[in-house]
Amino acid sequence: EVQLVESGGGLVQSGRSLRLSCAASGFIFNEYAMFWVRQAPGKGLEWVSSINWNSGNRDYADSVKGRFTISRDNAKNSLYLQMNTLRTEDTALYYCAKGARGVISYYFDSWGQGTLVTVSS
Amino acid sequence: SYVLTQPPSVSVAPGQTARITCGGTNIGSKSVHWYQQKPGQAPVLVVYDDRDRPSGIPDRFSGSNSGNTATLTISRVEAGDEADYYCQVWDNTRAAWVFGGGTKLTVL
Repeated sequence: EVQLVESGGGLVQSGRSLRLSCAASGFIFNEYAMFWVRQAPGKGLEWVSSINWNSGNRDYADSVKGRFTISRDNAKNSLYLQMNTLRTEDTALYYCAKGARGVISYYFDSWGQGTLVTVSS
Repeated sequence: SYVLTQPPSVSVAPGQTARITCGGTNIGSKSVHWYQQKPGQAPVLVVYDDRDRPSGIPDRFSGSNSGNTATLTISRVEAGDEADYYCQVWDNTRAAWVFGGGTKLTVL
């Protein structure tokens, strides 16, 4: 059974940094692309970042580009999101998701329960 | 940037059919994926690649995609289907994954 467990969220002041982690199990981690998706309180889903199996390709939403860095440690079956220069609009529940390769693009076939990041002014 | 448009809400009586649309320019040329999110829970994939269902998803859930509209159809709606539903595509021009704004399905 696929399990994704996020951690590292919390309350932080605007301008500070936070590092999220996602511990993966139940699948061969180093064979899959991984993703971060966030959801602001009462709002919809927003893709944040993605990383391919060997970290050779990383993509970011325009809203976080230059401030967030995605990484992974395949030896530890772990995904990370380093978030710098946080803004109040980054307040959200951050989900880790496993990618599955579709006909044209990846989709997200398993999700964690999320970790809450609250950025105060 | 590529925009996906969903109706904010859809209401349907139990046993009836719910249709949730997702509009986008020439969306028929893309693969559309659909997620169900119940209150306080993580999203769950219900349809991928326009019309395929993951294991464990009832065949009451089906999808279609043509022209400028993709549709998630839920047949014989049950109270347990009440949730928010999101469509998603990959915008290859920006290497970004895009979600629709979500549709709240209410079972009357």
